[in-house]
Amino acid sequence: DAKTTQPNSMESNEEEPVHLPCNHSTISGTDYIHWYRQLPSQGPEYVIHGLTSNVNNRMASLAIAEDRKSSTLILHRATLRDAAVYYCPEYMKTSYDKVIFGPGTSLSVIP
Amino acid sequence: DTEVTQTPKHLVMGMTNKKSLKCEQHMGHRAMYWYKQKAKKPPELMFVYSYEKLSINESVPSRFSPECPNSSLLNLHLHALQPEDSALYLCASSQGLAGEETQYFGPGTRLLVL
Repeated sequence: DAKTTQPNSMESNEEEPVHLPCNHSTISGTDYIHWYRQLPSQGPEYVIHGLTSNVNNRMASLAIAEDRKSSTLILHRATLRDAAVYYCPEYMKTSYDKVIFGPGTSLSVIP
Repeated sequence: DTEVTQTPKHLVMGMTNKKSLKCEQHMGHRAMYWYKQKAKKPPELMFVYSYEKLSINESVPSRFSPECPNSSLLNLHLHALQPEDSALYLCASSQGLAGEETQYFGPGTRLLVL
């Protein structure tokens, strides 16, 4: 089963880029990499996902290492609204419907 | 419409009460999920329904009883809960397998058991 690890917390200044890392030490070739975030007092929301190539969308960019053992979520210009807990969950190979959220990274944005 | 709705937003119940949480999605998704989230902890998976059938039960106590009456609706029936069951209960849905597709989460029901 794919296990992920993330730093507990990170800080960023407003309007600066933020790079949030995730290690996928046991990822297999067919496991997708997802990122979600949870703003205070809200349910988690999807941010981005990818398999092998780097991905961009309106919220963020996802850089995936060539060996896929790590990924980095990139927020190009952090805003106060980006203060949240960011998760890169793992999935059980026996059941890809079974999602396991680790503690995530709590991102603080300093004005 | 990519919205998952949950009602009620807040719920206070006694340990002898029976209550239900409701979740609805109109995206035609085949899978629906219940998660429990304690304060400052990540969401923990409780149940998964796939095509209206229970496919995963994460050894949840029987005082929590899920129900999927149709493809758009998911309920969680609560009976004889304990104070430690107080938490945020999140519902989610996805079209494909959660490991391959996006999960859409509702805002949650904040439950307090007295």
